[in-house]
Amino acid sequence: KAGVTQTPRYLIKTRGQQVTLSCSPISGHRSVSWYQQTPGQGLQFLFEYFSETQRNKGNFPGRFSGRQFSNSRSEMNVSTLELGDSALYLCASTTGGRGQFFGPGTRLTVL
Amino acid sequence: DAKTTQPNSMESNEEEPVHLPCNHSTISGTDYIHWYRQLPSQGPEYVIHGLTSNVNNRMASLAIAEDRKSSTLILHRATLRDAAVYYCILRDPHRDDKIIFGKGTRLHILP
Repeated sequence: KAGVTQTPRYLIKTRGQQVTLSCSPISGHRSVSWYQQTPGQGLQFLFEYFSETQRNKGNFPGRFSGRQFSNSRSEMNVSTLELGDSALYLCASTTGGRGQFFGPGTRLTVL
Repeated sequence: DAKTTQPNSMESNEEEPVHLPCNHSTISGTDYIHWYRQLPSQGPEYVIHGLTSNVNNRMASLAIAEDRKSSTLILHRATLRDAAVYYCILRDPHRDDKIIFGKGTRLHILP
């Protein structure tokens, strides 16, 4: 099976812009979670989607949003980008209670 | 959310066993103990998980204390490629709780 894929792998934006990141889970996985990773804060949970519904949400402002499509692919959107949004954004998929499988991440740089 | 405590960093010599501890004194009866590791410039990868009994797989072994308040990830023969940040987390597959990653343990392998 192909692993979790994320596009794009690298992205440079400027403050105030918006960005959309994409994640394709492993085939058959219906749950997709998103994380933000920065050197200072580590891995922080953003949100989780299951069958097109947001099931859990972390402590991030409303500028961060996501959605999941009927084929389980997921997107996350960040509006009005700030310098502090520069981070590695990771997507993970899972089936049932087993371990999560992470993608390689999207490295976002906000200038 | 149940919390885990891990040492910030550890060192080990190459080709020797490594024991990575994790304390989870507030674990509930239905929480599984999961271990992930993150190699440099990669997303986290699943290592192993267990509930009560010790578990073995091709990557590592997981030793769980009888009272389940602590566990130890065992790498039987560390190699330089095992240098990574190791995360211990708790997850109840029946509760759909969000997954919280702590700071993890940065493992340094000395040649």
